[in-house]
Amino acid sequence: GQQLNQSPQSMFIQEGEDVSMNCTSSSIFNTWLWYKQDPGEGPVLLIALYKAGELTSNGRLTAQFGITRKDSFLNISASIPSDVGIYFCAGIHNYGQNFVFGPGTRLSVLP
Amino acid sequence: EAGVTQFPSHSVIEKGQTVTLRCDPISGHDNLYWYRRVMGKEIKFLLHFVKESKQDESGMPNNRFLAERTGGTYSTLKVQPAELEDSGVYFCASSHLAGSSTDTQYFGPGTRLTVL
Repeated sequence: GQQLNQSPQSMFIQEGEDVSMNCTSSSIFNTWLWYKQDPGEGPVLLIALYKAGELTSNGRLTAQFGITRKDSFLNISASIPSDVGIYFCAGIHNYGQNFVFGPGTRLSVLP
Repeated sequence: EAGVTQFPSHSVIEKGQTVTLRCDPISGHDNLYWYRRVMGKEIKFLLHFVKESKQDESGMPNNRFLAERTGGTYSTLKVQPAELEDSGVYFCASSHLAGSSTDTQYFGPGTRLTVL
């Protein structure tokens, strides 16, 4: 079935460092989304991308929709302790279809 | 405005028992989704309601799972009889616009189900 791969699976960084994570697929998606899940909470939408090549920012977060439509990355600049959590990418192949989620990247920020 | 709520937050049951999970979407949201995340894996789509109708139930694992959304408000997901592999976190999400899969989905906190 449809699958998204996320890397890295987990990462430990120092507070203040920049973070980069990505999401890849063997098939084309027409929409990419990035979610963050805090412990004990449900995923919260961070950024939505709708066009190949699109680069979108939300505060310290920047995400890009890959030109091939098969990948996306998320960057976090100047990490802070509250950035800790699991980051999920999700894709939609076509309008009206449902989300496919990746397995998540677990981020830990060390003080 | 209240967010999506789910009940219970945790449930521990024995194999063969029945469990019913409840989701209350954001008021006025036509779309309601159920997802499941098994430990360490991706969040998998289970099904999608538009109001009280099942729009897509292609992700339901088998006929031990039954979802309902009577009156188009809250939804329940019943697992009967539960098996060990049903353990995981069950998320509910809702969105406003009927017919728009790209409308922002708001997730509930999830119900953590453990089957022993």
